[in-house]
Amino acid sequence: KQEVTQIPAALSVPEGENLVLNCSFTDSAIYNLQWFRQDPGKGLTSLLLIQSSQREQTSGRLNASLDKSSGRSTLYIAASQPGDSATYLCAVRPGNNNDMRFGAGTRLTVKP
Amino acid sequence: DVKVTQSSRYLVKRTGEKVFLECVQDMDHENMFWYRQDPGLGLRLIYFSYDVKMKEKGDIPEGYSVSREKKERFSLILESASTNQTSMYLCASSLNIADTQYFGPGTRLTVL
Repeated sequence: KQEVTQIPAALSVPEGENLVLNCSFTDSAIYNLQWFRQDPGKGLTSLLLIQSSQREQTSGRLNASLDKSSGRSTLYIAASQPGDSATYLCAVRPGNNNDMRFGAGTRLTVKP
Repeated sequence: DVKVTQSSRYLVKRTGEKVFLECVQDMDHENMFWYRQDPGLGLRLIYFSYDVKMKEKGDIPEGYSVSREKKERFSLILESASTNQTSMYLCASSLNIADTQYFGPGTRLTVL
């Protein structure tokens, strides 16, 4: 059964820093991987989706990479801003179906 | 823009009560999902539906049932609420089964 781990559980950085959030998964046979953002008390917003055939996806200051063989993905945030403060969740889809496995998330705080 | 709405943001119920959580999406999506989110556990799938009147159990269906009488509406029912069902409940929808899921704002349910 696919398990998804995100370390650290919480991260605090000063404004302007570049940072990396980590996601690891136990089974390298995946269909796609997705990064979400969740603001306190709110639902999830999709940030980036990487198909299994891709190595990375970029959107603005965000870059997500995927290394299936090592079971890892990273979310790189450049020039962090206080508005980036949120919980970031990684989700892995093992196959072309509904079954999506979520990590517990990394709570990011960017201090002004 | 896809919009997924949930009937309540916060709900307080007593043990043994029957609880209805409603979710509506406005993008004619085939698939709808109910998750619960608990600290340190990430999101866990309760039930999903791939068509009107069709439903499938997720990872943790015990104590829950669902109803999908119309395409745009997916209801989660707690037949007899218990304190261990205190949680954040998130609804999502997607066009195709392996597509990006769009999430509602969540309902924080407290069972006393």
